[in-house]
Amino acid sequence: DAGVIQSPRHEVTEMGQEVTLRCKPISGHDYLFWYRQTMMRGLELLIYFNNNVPIDDSGMPEDRFSAKMPNASFSTLKIQPSEPRDSAVYFCASSPRVRETQYFGPGTRLLVL
Amino acid sequence: RKEVEQDPGPFNVPEGATVAFNCTYSNSASQSFFWYRQDCRKEPKLLMSVYSSGNEDGRFTAQLNRASQYISLLIRDSKLSDSATYLCVADNTGGFKTIFGAGTRLFVKA
Repeated sequence: DAGVIQSPRHEVTEMGQEVTLRCKPISGHDYLFWYRQTMMRGLELLIYFNNNVPIDDSGMPEDRFSAKMPNASFSTLKIQPSEPRDSAVYFCASSPRVRETQYFGPGTRLLVL
Repeated sequence: RKEVEQDPGPFNVPEGATVAFNCTYSNSASQSFFWYRQDCRKEPKLLMSVYSSGNEDGRFTAQLNRASQYISLLIRDSKLSDSATYLCVADNTGGFKTIFGAGTRLFVKA
């Protein structure tokens, strides 16, 4: 079974541009998480979904960030407009049930110039 | 105070050594705890869950101390391949919002 799939793996963009990150969770997993990792702040939970419904988005840094999960097999994280301080590795993870292991995707390395 | 705190290290140890990491968490209501391992430029992967009674997986032992609100990871007979960053995880409520520590870097030398 394929693991969590993320695309693109690398993204370089200019400040002000819209960035869309994509995630396909493991089939049958009810929970999906978006994280951001930087050297300064470590791994931060941005938002998580349960059965496609956003449960907690308190980690989303500001209104420029939005996330959707239109169905059980797809989620997007969008940044509009992007800023250099958004440069980070963005991970998507999924989990089958509450309080169980989270399986991470390979991440998207975002660089905003 | 951070919700989950770890000594960032780095810990530099020779092969065969025993090394221990501690991690403290601030929310006494936390119910689930994990150790993840992250290799350089890779995603975090589960190393082991941490159970109330403590648990062991080969060379790795995890302990939970609820009274003092810390968890620990002990690695015996360190291997070169154990070199990585070890992330401590706790949920911060009765729900499923997980908080990762900043990680402890381990370097095992030949």
